[in-house]
Amino acid sequence: GDSVTQMEGPVTLSEEAFLTINCTYTATGYPSLFWYVQYPGEGLQLLLKATKADDKGSNKGFEATYRKETTSFHLEKGSVQVSDSAVYFCALSDRGSQGNLIFGKGTKLSVKP
Amino acid sequence: NAGVTQTPKFQVLKTGQSMTLQCAQDMNHNSMYWYRQDPGMGLRLIYYSASEGTTDKGEVPNGYNVSRLNKREFSLRLESAAPSQTSVYFCASSEFFGGVNYGYTFGSGTRLTVV
Repeated sequence: GDSVTQMEGPVTLSEEAFLTINCTYTATGYPSLFWYVQYPGEGLQLLLKATKADDKGSNKGFEATYRKETTSFHLEKGSVQVSDSAVYFCALSDRGSQGNLIFGKGTKLSVKP
Repeated sequence: NAGVTQTPKFQVLKTGQSMTLQCAQDMNHNSMYWYRQDPGMGLRLIYYSASEGTTDKGEVPNGYNVSRLNKREFSLRLESAAPSQTSVYFCASSEFFGGVNYGYTFGSGTRLTVV
């Protein structure tokens, strides 16, 4: 079945460092891909998405490119801030999963000043 | 503010008690979902409703029931709570058409403890 694998955390960075969180997927069709962010004590918020191969999703300085050849959707940010400290979830939605989102286990990011 | 509203935010139950978690959305979405979030497990789908009048089991439905009361509301019921149901529960809604899910909007969660 469909699945999402993302790098295990926690990830600790200094402010202004470059961030990469790896995400790879397995899907039977042509999924849509998402990154969600969860701040402490809150629900998940959609950060960015891409619905077809080679699409780049971007928001708040974060970017991810839908790579069909490597089945990947890695999250990147050029310069992280303390306020980016959160848990990040990669997810996919595929026709094979009836459109339901399947989530990775999450990666906790801590940014130190 | 438009979005997904869940109640209550916190709840403590004794083993064997029952309760209903309420969820309502005002975005006119067709699809609604209940997830649970446990440490190290990510989010797991309990039940979902693709449209008003329909419900289907997700990955971990045992011990739960749901009702899609109307297009806006989707409730989750624990008939006889067990300690294994201690978790954070999230409701979500989305628009899904043409085989594409355009992303979920989540509620802020219900933190449930069963003692």
